[in-house]
Amino acid sequence: AQSVSQHNHHVILSEAASLELGCNYSYGGTVNLFWYVQYPGQHLQLLLKYFSGDPLVKGIKGFEAEFIKSKFSFNLRKPSVQWSDTAEYFCAVNAVWGTDKLIFGTGTRLQVFP
Amino acid sequence: EPEVTQTPSHQVTQMGQEVILRCVPISNHLYFYWYRQILGQKVEFLVSFYNNEISEKSEIFDDQFSVERPDGSNFTLKIRSTKLEDSAMYFCASSEQGGNSPLHFGNGTRLTVT
Repeated sequence: AQSVSQHNHHVILSEAASLELGCNYSYGGTVNLFWYVQYPGQHLQLLLKYFSGDPLVKGIKGFEAEFIKSKFSFNLRKPSVQWSDTAEYFCAVNAVWGTDKLIFGTGTRLQVFP
Repeated sequence: EPEVTQTPSHQVTQMGQEVILRCVPISNHLYFYWYRQILGQKVEFLVSFYNNEISEKSEIFDDQFSVERPDGSNFTLKIRSTKLEDSAMYFCASSEQGGNSPLHFGNGTRLTVT
């Protein structure tokens, strides 16, 4: 069965610090990969996605993620965080064939202090 | 930007009562989903719906749950006889092309069963 692990449950950073949130998945087949963000009181919004091609994908608000197939990882990065990045971040995976359900990680709460 | 809208934002009900959670997906989307998130836990897939029928459901989605698209715009989730453990945030989502396109989520309905 597919599963997604996010190792950082709660990350606290100061503004301008660099961010990397880990995401690993377990599934032997071809996958689509996503990062969603949930700002306080708002809905889940897509940050970025990987379907195929260049494993380094760029998303909104300066975020990027790198798919490393050999490590089953899709870590999220941002070189310099802002206070407005305070939110919960969810990694999600779906298998390309046979299903379109998303499997989510447990989420990482990011708090950025000015 | 078009949005998925969910009503109500918060529903309180007594154990054993029926509840209907409502969603209006984005108008040109063809695939519809319900997910839920119990407080402190992962976002979990419940059901996917395409072409007026369930295309996939999880083991959570037992006989107490049903979905319907009654009028071509609304997409509802019914829980026939609520249990305490049904208390969660329920998210509706829609997508253009199923698993190979990103999901757009609503703000969620917080269901509290007392």
